[in-house]
Amino acid sequence: EAQVTQNPRYLITVTGKKLTVTCSQNMNHEYMSWYRQDPGLGLRQIYYSMNVEVTDKGDVPEGYKVSRKEKRNFPLILESPSPNQTSLYFCASSWRGWNTGELFFGEGSRLTVL
Amino acid sequence: AQSVTQPDIHITVSEGASLELRCNYSYGATPYLFWYVQSPGQGLQLLLKYFSGDTLVQGIKGFEAEFKRSQSSFNLRKPSVHWSDAAEYFCAVGARSGGGADGLTFGKGTHLIIQP
Repeated sequence: EAQVTQNPRYLITVTGKKLTVTCSQNMNHEYMSWYRQDPGLGLRQIYYSMNVEVTDKGDVPEGYKVSRKEKRNFPLILESPSPNQTSLYFCASSWRGWNTGELFFGEGSRLTVL
Repeated sequence: AQSVTQPDIHITVSEGASLELRCNYSYGATPYLFWYVQSPGQGLQLLLKYFSGDTLVQGIKGFEAEFKRSQSSFNLRKPSVHWSDAAEYFCAVGARSGGGADGLTFGKGTHLIIQP
């Protein structure tokens, strides 16, 4: 089954404790992206990657890092989480950029930073 | 930069009634336009998209949307809603420049409630 898998789905952590949210897709997609969803703000892009070793900032990259060492994986790293990073995070992928077809989303990772 | 406005935060519709969700965009040229649906606890699923051609596009689950350049709108419609349509709906716009590299710009969403 074609899917985008995120882990963990739910996480409560404390300020400053580094964490990684993993994202993996099994569709051999070149394009992957991270979004955060906040009430009243919709979805905002954090980072995206056009292919292995190619990443770039989205609209709200501050406080986040990403890496793309393998085509299937695109982890989101919070080096020193803060309460304003409490949010619902979505990973998404598509064949080669969102304009080549459907953008497939994971089920989301709800992060709470205390 | 492009932007998307979904004027209605919440909409309540009776089951079996027709539905129209509004979406207005701001972009200098003809954009790429999308509607996504998010069911509770789920990720987003593509309902339909407009890239070019026929301005009335058909999607999954009986939805359709019409691109109106003169009104900068891309409203989503369904002739008869079902209780399972209760969800959050997002309109999104993408710029034709950038080759699909940068992200889609999403609206803030419309929460659809279905009354029995």
